[in-house]
Amino acid sequence: KAGVTQTPRYLIKTRGQQVTLSCSPISGHRSVSWYQQTPGQGLQFLFEYFSETQRNKGNFPGRFSGRQFSNSRSEMNVSTLELGDSALYLCASSLALAGGTEAFFGQGTRLTVV
Amino acid sequence: GNSVTQMEGPVTLSEEAFLTINCTYTATGYPSLFWYVQYPGEGLQLLLKATKADDKGSNKGFEATYRKETTSFHLEKGSVQVSDSAVYFCALSDPGYGGATNKLIFGTGTLLAVQP
Repeated sequence: KAGVTQTPRYLIKTRGQQVTLSCSPISGHRSVSWYQQTPGQGLQFLFEYFSETQRNKGNFPGRFSGRQFSNSRSEMNVSTLELGDSALYLCASSLALAGGTEAFFGQGTRLTVV
Repeated sequence: GNSVTQMEGPVTLSEEAFLTINCTYTATGYPSLFWYVQYPGEGLQLLLKATKADDKGSNKGFEATYRKETTSFHLEKGSVQVSDSAVYFCALSDPGYGGATNKLIFGTGTLLAVQP
């Protein structure tokens, strides 16, 4: 069974640009969550999607957005990139939408903003 | 608000030593508790979980017990191996939204280095 696939693995962007990251969940999983991991702030929740609807959102500016498609694949977009957006972005998929459900993480996309 | 506090690292141990990584939490309601592990260059993998008070999660020789009275979920292993070297994260499921969320709140992570 294939795991969670995130593309691309590495990305270098310039300040002011925008970027789109992709996540393909495990087959059959309908819940996708996104996290930002940085050395200073640790792992922080960005947003969560279930059946194409955003169910929950973390405390990030509006430059961060996402969506989920009918096949459960998800994308997140960051517009007007800032140096502080450099981070490892992790996607997690789960079978159901309930606390206690195991989250399966992808390897992440390492974004560097220069 | 809901939060997780874990011991600062790095923790450096010799092979076969006993491991404890402390984790305490603050939460309203009744969250589920997790330990995730991150190996270099990888995403997070679930190590173990407990969904209610007094539950013990265990996997690969690691154990943690959900202690509601002390709001703790300490990770233990009787004999560590070099291959256990990784970053360990304690996490809780956000108990809000009537439980209808997979949002996790993570601790800061503890780096474990096991020397041969």
